[in-house]
Amino acid sequence: SQKIEQNSEALNIQEGKTATLTCNYTNYSPAYLQWYRQDPGRGPVFLLLIRENEKEKRKERLKVTFDTTLKQSLFHITASQPADSATYLCALDNAGKSTFGDGTTLTVKP
Amino acid sequence: NAGVTQTPKFQVLKTGQSMTLQCAQDMNHEYMSWYRQDPGMGLRLIHYSVGAGITDQGEVPNGYNVSRSTTEDFPLRLLSAAPSQTSVYFCASSYLQGIMNTEAFFGQGTRLTVV
Repeated sequence: SQKIEQNSEALNIQEGKTATLTCNYTNYSPAYLQWYRQDPGRGPVFLLLIRENEKEKRKERLKVTFDTTLKQSLFHITASQPADSATYLCALDNAGKSTFGDGTTLTVKP
Repeated sequence: NAGVTQTPKFQVLKTGQSMTLQCAQDMNHEYMSWYRQDPGMGLRLIHYSVGAGITDQGEVPNGYNVSRSTTEDFPLRLLSAAPSQTSVYFCASSYLQGIMNTEAFFGQGTRLTVV
């Protein structure tokens, strides 16, 4: 069956460190993958999109990798700040529709 | 631009009642979709549309209807509300590049409680 797994429900790190979030999938062949940020009580906000033929994409302190052999995407936030605390969702292309993982809640402590 | 606007923000229904959740976007996006999000979980696709007059079912369509008479509007109808439909509902819109769904813009959500 198709499955998307994001690493542990919660991730706690110290300010200034790099946060690494994982998105693993099975039985999908996504043409692209997206990452979103969601704050409590709000709708998700788009962060980055990476295509299957791209290995890595960066935006400011954010970096996403996409390994179609391992069926995995890694999402990195460098020099993390308390304001980065939120839930991060990965979304796979599923025949033109987006299928979301359950999300990882990141807490950055000062 | 207002982006994606959902109304109402909160709603309490009695079991068996029907209602329509409204969603409007002003970005001329072809693709619109409805998701539900239950506590601690990701978004599950209910219905989606790739353009006016075209709708299709997502992962959890039972108990919901949609229509797309204009590019801007994509209402979600609950036919006979059940407690299992208590959830937060999000509407989203995006451009289509070929068959590729680009970044989605989400509304602020509707918190629905069915008692």
